[in-house]
Amino acid sequence: EPEVTQTPSHQVTQMGQEVILRCVPISNHLYFYWYRQILGQKVEFLVSFYNNEISEKSEIFDDQFSVERPDGSNFTLKIRSTKLEDSAMYFCASSEREDSLFEQYFGPGTRLTVT
Amino acid sequence: GQNIDQPTEMTATEGAIVQINCTYQTSGFNGLFWYQQHAGEAPTFLSYNVLDGLEEKGRFSSFLSRSKGYSYLLLKELQMKDSASYLCAVNDYKLSFGAGTTVTVRA
Repeated sequence: EPEVTQTPSHQVTQMGQEVILRCVPISNHLYFYWYRQILGQKVEFLVSFYNNEISEKSEIFDDQFSVERPDGSNFTLKIRSTKLEDSAMYFCASSEREDSLFEQYFGPGTRLTVT
Repeated sequence: GQNIDQPTEMTATEGAIVQINCTYQTSGFNGLFWYQQHAGEAPTFLSYNVLDGLEEKGRFSSFLSRSKGYSYLLLKELQMKDSASYLCAVNDYKLSFGAGTTVTVRA
């Protein structure tokens, strides 16, 4: 069964450093998403991406964040200058379409720890 | 804004039935999803409802009333492996999640 993959599984970085989280969505999917989950809290939407541009972003997704689809398979989330409060699990998700008939498949996540 | 409420915790016995309620008030609505999440893992899809009524999928069923802003997930014949967090999520071209209900299944 096709699946979303994410690398690395765990990233430790120092405050102020840049990090890039990588995702490979399911190959025939067209819509891509990033979510985050701070430990013990709910899953929060960050950004959606379609046709090589951002469709929607949340208040969390400020100028420190960016997304890119550098080739036909990868989808990346960059945090330019990490803060302690960026420590969270980051999930990538993809779907064939954006409406309710098509579920979003989640990757296993990258645990980001900012020290 | 998005307001999605579900109980924090529920405990049930192996073999029993548990119903997890979810109420929502959201600016948009394009369907309601239920996901299961084990600790430290990604959410996995269980069920979704677009129209009012009951959707059955094996041991899991989900119900939706759009006029009441209400859904529930019914887990039947509980097994120990069903111990997890269950997330209610409203789809408005992105998923807005509730805080999750931690279900503990006891022998």
